[in-house]
Amino acid sequence: NAGVTQTPKFRVLKTGQSMTLLCAQDMNHEYMYWYRQDPGMGLRLIHYSVGEGTTAKGEVPDGYNVSRLKKQNFLLGLESAAPSQTSVYFCAISGPGLAGPAANTGELFFGEGSRLTVL
Amino acid sequence: GENVEQHPSTLSVQEGDSAVIKCTYSDSASNYFPWYKQELGKGSQLIIDIRSNVGEKKDQRIAVTLNKTAKHFSLHITETQPEDSAVYFCAAHFRRALTFGSGTRLQVQP
Repeated sequence: NAGVTQTPKFRVLKTGQSMTLLCAQDMNHEYMYWYRQDPGMGLRLIHYSVGEGTTAKGEVPDGYNVSRLKKQNFLLGLESAAPSQTSVYFCAISGPGLAGPAANTGELFFGEGSRLTVL
Repeated sequence: GENVEQHPSTLSVQEGDSAVIKCTYSDSASNYFPWYKQELGKGSQLIIDIRSNVGEKKDQRIAVTLNKTAKHFSLHITETQPEDSAVYFCAAHFRRALTFGSGTRLQVQP
């Protein structure tokens, strides 16, 4: 998973607390994604970005916000954490292609994951 | 939206045997089907993919088959080895996202 770094790797929060997950890449890829992985549910897309300064909603965006102020960083924020947000979060990136993750069917490179527990 | 179902959820095989994981998808417009392998404590990595204009693709011990009419695709691993033990995810690409299956935990017994 060289090239995609997530911090922190583990975090425990109390309900109502806020936090930010950082995804940093050194592969100069345009597209960045945040997924959550829950038992028996696979990977679900939260938000994504097709380039610096852009963000868009994925399948399960509620309760999360994102920002892509720099091309190499994609931040995922939880303003008021809830137990339902206990999950493993994965950042992914992919290379250039046609605009939008739909047309960009290139390989996804994943980070190693961030395990978040909300009590 | 797209819906991807993956079976089985767990699979245990003896080293050297073959393993097959199956996925079905709901939207006939999906046109790209990757398979990802996730080892313990790591992010997923692409192991093979197939596009809708191809029926089968092979890469050494790994193969993927696609039946567009039936809307299902399968991952075949032959001569399994202990290092094949991992969670495998299928996915289907449609419009603006990859939709992933729920994963299969493959255990290869030495």
